[in-house]
Amino acid sequence: AQKVTQAQTEISVVEKEDVTLDCVYETRDTTYYLFWYKQPPSGELVFLIRRNSFDEQNEISGRYSWNFQKSTSSFNFTITASQVVDSAVYFCALSEGRSSNYKLTFGKGTLLTVNP
Amino acid sequence: DTGVSQNPRHKITKRGQNVTFRCDPISEHNRLYWYRQTLGQGPEFLTYFQNEAQLEKSRLLSDRFSAERPKGSFSTLEIQRTEQGDSAMYLCASSLMSGQPQHFGDGTRLSIL
Repeated sequence: AQKVTQAQTEISVVEKEDVTLDCVYETRDTTYYLFWYKQPPSGELVFLIRRNSFDEQNEISGRYSWNFQKSTSSFNFTITASQVVDSAVYFCALSEGRSSNYKLTFGKGTLLTVNP
Repeated sequence: DTGVSQNPRHKITKRGQNVTFRCDPISEHNRLYWYRQTLGQGPEFLTYFQNEAQLEKSRLLSDRFSAERPKGSFSTLEIQRTEQGDSAMYLCASSLMSGQPQHFGDGTRLSIL
């Protein structure tokens, strides 16, 4: 069965600090997808990134970067020079592919608070 | 580009009443998912449609829950004889192809009095 663990329930940082959100996943499939979503106080889940299991290249998008390591089943998310607008709940999610109809299994989320 | 639309945004009802939510996915997205999110938790899968066919239902979806997508476009989720435990945010998501990102609506927040 697929499972996603986000061990950090809450993180609080001061603006301009770097912060890393951890995500560990479990799956028996060899083909799967990993996602990060942001849920600001307004409530809508906003898609940030998708990785497939065959692509372990790290990715950078502006202040955001993602580190995918199959050896440790981790898909961590780093925000560089955090800003107050980054305050939100961040969810890591796993999709196992055709056998599971690509439904998402979410972690419990990490509440990030960036203080001015 | 319009996103996923859900209505109503909020629904307050008395225990035992029936409620129905609507989801309009992004046009041309033939895959549609319903999730439920309770406070402090990540969303949990409820059911999945590919076009008009309901292909998977979670064990979370008791007999009181029913979902439809009659013409492969919008979808409805009905809860009959609501219970206190049904209070949650109900989220709808759609995607264009298998494995592609799911895009979520704002959700319908259900409160049972």
